[in-house]
Amino acid sequence: AQSVTQPDIHITVSEGASLELRCNYSYGATPYLFWYVQSPGQGLQLLLKYFSGDTLVQGIKGFEAEFKRSQSSFNLRKPSVHWSDAAEYFCAVLRYSSASKIIFGSGTRLSIRP
Amino acid sequence: GAVVSQHPSWVICKSGTSVKIECRSLDFQATTMFWYRQFPKQSLMLMATSNEGSKATYEQGVEKDKFLINHASLTLSTLTVTSAHPEDSSFYICSADSGGPYNEQFFGPGTRLTVL
Repeated sequence: AQSVTQPDIHITVSEGASLELRCNYSYGATPYLFWYVQSPGQGLQLLLKYFSGDTLVQGIKGFEAEFKRSQSSFNLRKPSVHWSDAAEYFCAVLRYSSASKIIFGSGTRLSIRP
Repeated sequence: GAVVSQHPSWVICKSGTSVKIECRSLDFQATTMFWYRQFPKQSLMLMATSNEGSKATYEQGVEKDKFLINHASLTLSTLTVTSAHPEDSSFYICSADSGGPYNEQFFGPGTRLTVL
């Protein structure tokens, strides 16, 4: 079954530094992949999604992600982080069964160092 | 994008009472909605798939008699936590399938349930 793994539980980067959050997927065919962000006590906001086509996906808030089939990865990047980017980030995959379900990774908490 | 609302946004109840949470798709019809549960500092765990006009499908380990789901219309699904206990305290999030070509889902803002 489709699944995603986020190996980093917590990452701290300095404001203005670049960011890369890792996500690995498990699926034989081309998966449908997502990145969501969640601020404390809030719901989810979709940053970007990959369904097919161009493997470099642009999202909101200056985020991008690259789908790499050879590495089974869909890492999230941002060239320069802002203090407001501190949040929990979830990678997710669409799982096909009787209904199309979104399955979330364990999440990566991002802290920003002033 | 499409909007999904949840009501209430937070609720506090006494142990043993039942609590109903509503999930509405405001500008689209959703034959399928999903309910997730999130414990503090943890990921979202899918609880069940709510199907309009039929019974919900529960994930393994989720008590269907504890978490009653009703999807009576194309824009409304409800989750009722019956005889709530403190261990049911959690953040409950719903999502709605837009029915588009990639089954894109839109998430509600979540409901914080605290059982005393």
